[in-house]
Amino acid sequence: ILNVEQSPQSLHVQEGDSTNFTCSFPSSNFYALHWYRWETAKSPEALFVMTLNGDEKKKGRISATLNTKEGYSYLYIKGSQPEDSATYLCAFLGNEKLTFGTGTRLTIIP
Amino acid sequence: KAGVTQTPRYLIKTRGQQVTLSCSPISGHRSVSWYQQTPGQGLQFLFEYFSETQRNKGNFPGRFSGRQFSNSRSEMNVSTLELGDSALYLCASSEANLLRNSPLHFGNGTRLTVT
Repeated sequence: ILNVEQSPQSLHVQEGDSTNFTCSFPSSNFYALHWYRWETAKSPEALFVMTLNGDEKKKGRISATLNTKEGYSYLYIKGSQPEDSATYLCAFLGNEKLTFGTGTRLTIIP
Repeated sequence: KAGVTQTPRYLIKTRGQQVTLSCSPISGHRSVSWYQQTPGQGLQFLFEYFSETQRNKGNFPGRFSGRQFSNSRSEMNVSTLELGDSALYLCASSEANLLRNSPLHFGNGTRLTVT
């Protein structure tokens, strides 16, 4: 059973502050790391698919980094806005199977 | 482009029955994968279909099965339902199979309740 862990489980952040959270995954048999945002009453939305060690991706105020050798990825949100409130999921692709973490639930306080 | 469509949205079944869930992918997407979410668990991978072939399968009993049609639409079947099968079932489509690193596009899910 693969262990994909996300921390923290939940997070409350003041509007305008920046924040980050972590996804840890096995460092062997790595193929790709996915990030998704899942807002309440909606379906998960793809943020990034990362494949190379050292990869950095950016989409607006959200960015992510990847370290495949030590098995972690960070997701950063700069200048949090209320619409950033969601659960952020990472998923490890290895051995042709996608294993999701249980997510970080982010709440932005206006 | 229309998004991923899952039907039905809600379903209530009793133990021992079987159920079929349907997923229509985004036009042009050939890969469909299925996931189960139960309270306290992350999304768990059920299986992936690409060009009508099951490419891989997660750690679920044989009661869970699926298929994909020539138009890429997919169905998932669960036989002999158990209370623990109550969950949100999500399907996702992508342009290529998982190994091509295409992002997943999810449907809104089917909420299955087994009583």
